[in-house]
Amino acid sequence: GAGVSQSPRYKVAKRGQDVALRCDPISGHVSLFWYQQALGQGPEFLTYFQNEAQLDKSGLPSDRFFAERPEGSVSTLKIQRTQQEDSAVYLCASSLTPGTGTLSNQPQHFGDGTRLSIL
Amino acid sequence: KNEVEQSPQNLTAQEGEFITINCSYSVGISALHWLQQHPGGGIVSLFMLSSGKKKHGRLIATINIQEKHSSLHITASHPRDSAVYICAVKSGGSNYKLTFGKGTLLTVNP
Repeated sequence: GAGVSQSPRYKVAKRGQDVALRCDPISGHVSLFWYQQALGQGPEFLTYFQNEAQLDKSGLPSDRFFAERPEGSVSTLKIQRTQQEDSAVYLCASSLTPGTGTLSNQPQHFGDGTRLSIL
Repeated sequence: KNEVEQSPQNLTAQEGEFITINCSYSVGISALHWLQQHPGGGIVSLFMLSSGKKKHGRLIATINIQEKHSSLHITASHPRDSAVYICAVKSGGSNYKLTFGKGTLLTVNP
């Protein structure tokens, strides 16, 4: 596709349910990022993939959060046993080159996000 | 204290006015981004800069590395410019993480 696609756009779940959020990056993009954006705040880094390798997951708030990118393209962010504080917009971004090294200063292209509401 | 501070938090202007949004950061950076976010969540990258000045249409972004400060200017503002403008920095040449400011909500009235 032309841009980063995220689905669903909106997700409402009851506290305790598991959810899965999908990100389709721009074709051929090596780097993929997940961010969490609480209401009225800037996005915060969750995790980074270079191809299928998850190189950094330091931003994941708890072990209930799990991300994967098994074939180096589509990525899924899974949240188990959701809690109300998980309510946020989850943004995915991709960039053409690896996130480190001399080619790392490439712009990140963002999806429209998934707005997650936990009741 | 956040690593990236933006001011003002909210800005209301009349159509045609010159707009300035400021961003200060406290860490050494390899690049600074200005992003635009419309209601509904989608983020668009406006500029990525590491020195000097960039211009695109009515938008101008400047950065002063020594003072750790950047500004985003909008000339001849228009209601369609209404959005949240976010400053984000990438620190160091080997760090891929973006650290974001909280954003500036701009409303341009006709």
